[in-house]
Amino acid sequence: DIVLTQSPALAVSLEQRATISCKTSQNVDNYGISYMHWYQQKPGQQPKLLIYEGSNLASGIPARFSGSGSGTDFTLTIDPVEADDIATYYCQQSKDYPTFGGGTKLELK
Amino acid sequence: EVQLVESGGGLVQPGRSLKLSCLASGFTFSNYGMNWIRQAPGKGLEWVASISSSSSYIYYADTVKGRFTISRDNAKNTLYLQMTSLRSEDTALYYCARHRGVAPNWFAYWGQGTLVTVSS
Repeated sequence: DIVLTQSPALAVSLEQRATISCKTSQNVDNYGISYMHWYQQKPGQQPKLLIYEGSNLASGIPARFSGSGSGTDFTLTIDPVEADDIATYYCQQSKDYPTFGGGTKLELK
Repeated sequence: EVQLVESGGGLVQPGRSLKLSCLASGFTFSNYGMNWIRQAPGKGLEWVASISSSSSYIYYADTVKGRFTISRDNAKNTLYLQMTSLRSEDTALYYCARHRGVAPNWFAYWGQGTLVTVSS
């Protein structure tokens, strides 16, 4: 299995930039495509797709969210952070059978 | 509007069986692959199983292989998960989710989930 590692928590101030990292145990790129996706989950809600294939913004997601990276190192950036962005963020790979990172809880500083 | 509504969860004793359903609407169900993804209480997400649009390709996580069976009825717009030999570690909120293509990639639509509790 491909293991995805995220920091458990990140404290950020409103209107500042948040960078959430995800490191994979194996390269998740293939033929120029990064098989890395990002989700937001708020308490009591299902996950919501934010970014697919490394850097593509999902439908209806504000441009404050962006994804970058390649190979084994990926980043989700939220700039600027708004109050509604306080949630847990998961990365997920689909190079092999899908696996998720443990999640990063975004908290207010 | 895409809607996925799970049902069938509940309290079940270890070793027993349970069958979950996911009723889809708002899109052509037979054109999309489907998945079950679970989340234990207070924990992260775990992909469980995937089935392609025509049921030709089926994949399972190692943790459930041989115990769970994913299936679908395109005429009824319904996805199923038959769970047998249930264990306490199967306790989780079970989501159904849609993907594009044959193999699971990203999950653009999720249901609200149905809770399965395995306990004596």
